[in-house]
Amino acid sequence: NAGVMQNPRHLVRRRGQEARLRCSPMKGHSHVYWYRQLPEEGLKFMVYLQKENIIDESGMPKERFSAEFPKEGPSILRIQQVVRGDSAAYFCASSEDRVPNSPLHFGNGTRLTVT
Amino acid sequence: AQKVTQAQTEISVVEKEDVTLDCVYETRDTTYYLFWYKQPPSGELVFLIRRNSFDEQNEISGRYSWNFQKSTSSFNFTITASQVVDSAVYFCALSGTNAGKSTFGDGTTLTVKP
Repeated sequence: NAGVMQNPRHLVRRRGQEARLRCSPMKGHSHVYWYRQLPEEGLKFMVYLQKENIIDESGMPKERFSAEFPKEGPSILRIQQVVRGDSAAYFCASSEDRVPNSPLHFGNGTRLTVT
Repeated sequence: AQKVTQAQTEISVVEKEDVTLDCVYETRDTTYYLFWYKQPPSGELVFLIRRNSFDEQNEISGRYSWNFQKSTSSFNFTITASQVVDSAVYFCALSGTNAGKSTFGDGTTLTVKP
């Protein structure tokens, strides 16, 4: 029973490049959430998606960041023209469809380093 | 707006000591949920417990126990007879009716020395 799968585990990008982070939710889960953890800080909510829909993106930076969760395939968090301040751990989580307050099942995160 | 405060940034104890991690929250919601997560040095997040706002019963799970007090807006976490493997960052989190959109505290780094 695979958990939430995130890849890559580590990603290094130079300033100005694009970063694509992937997240496959647990089987049967169609709710996906992205969080960012800056060094020495807690997790901050970024975006909540269901299949083909962005439900809540109140935590997403207005520029350079986008997220999608297509009908087929993993959820993607895309960061364009990365800057050093984007260096962080990005966590994806999924939840069960019918339980509005089930706990989040987190992936192991993607550590993005911008050089 | 929701807020979670973990006032203890770092705690260091010697193995077998008991340790309590504090969590204070703020919310205007009447229905809300509180969580504790563990983040070991390997970096993943491990769910420990969820508590809803209508259930103030304390809970014990092995060496772990949680004390939820609405009157003081606190949800404290106690580890009894700590072990080296308990060394990790512990996060308290709060959500409204959508657990996916949780507000996390900044975490408490617990170091248990042998």
